[in-house]
Amino acid sequence: ETGVTQTPRHLVMGMTNKKSLKCEQHLGHNAMYWYKQSAKKPLELMFVYNFKEQTENNSVPSRFSPECPNSSHLFLHLHTLQPEDSALYLCASSQDSPDTQYFGPGTRLTVL
Amino acid sequence: GENVEQHPSTLSVQEGDSAVIKCTYSDSASNYFPWYKQELGKGPQLIIDIRSNVGEKKDQRIAVTLNKTAKHFSLHITETQPEDSAVYFCAASKLYSGGSNYKLTFGKGTLLTVNP
Repeated sequence: ETGVTQTPRHLVMGMTNKKSLKCEQHLGHNAMYWYKQSAKKPLELMFVYNFKEQTENNSVPSRFSPECPNSSHLFLHLHTLQPEDSALYLCASSQDSPDTQYFGPGTRLTVL
Repeated sequence: GENVEQHPSTLSVQEGDSAVIKCTYSDSASNYFPWYKQELGKGPQLIIDIRSNVGEKKDQRIAVTLNKTAKHFSLHITETQPEDSAVYFCAASKLYSGGSNYKLTFGKGTLLTVNP
C-alpha cells in the first residue's frame, strides 16, 4: 500500500444527489491532489492543495467542490453531477521534495 | 502547455521477452519523467523515474532512458513476467523551485499483457 487511502471505493449516485469522496494520507506530505481518470483518456488533474491552500483549479466545473481541512485529509464534494462525470477519481500526495506523487486506490463513481 | 504522447496503446509479449514503451513530450523545460504502473482495481504506483540530468536509470528488470534533444523517453522491461501485466503511464513535469506542488502531464497509457 502507498499510505494514501480513499473512501468509498465505489459510489453510485443520481444526478440530484450530494455525496463526498474522502482521501487521507499517512505519509506526512504537504501537497494533495485530485485526479479524474476516464476510459481512454490521460489522467486529468483537477485540484492541487499545498499546505492546505488550493493552488490549482484546472477549470473544473463548480459541481465539484474540494475541501482540505488539514494536510492529511482531502475531500471532494459532489452535487448535481452528470452521467459523463462517471469515472475513477484518484487522490495523490507528495512531500516537500516535489518530484514523487503517491496515489490512492481511487473511488469508482457512477452517475445515473 | 505540456503534451505527452505514449505508444503503443497496447502491447502483448511472451513471458521472458522484453517490452518497450515510448513517450514523447513537447515542453523542452520539462525535467522530471516518472513511470507509473496501474493494476486492475488499484491506483497508479510509481515504478521508476528519471530526471533530466541523467540519460538512463535502472532498477532490476526495469530501465528508463531519456533523450532530451529528441524529447522522448522510454521504459524497458526485461525478462517479463505475467505479474508485469498492467497499464503503464508515462508522465512529464517541470519541477518548481520551492514549494511542493507541481503538475504532472500523463500519457494515455499502455496496456501490457504478458502471456505465460
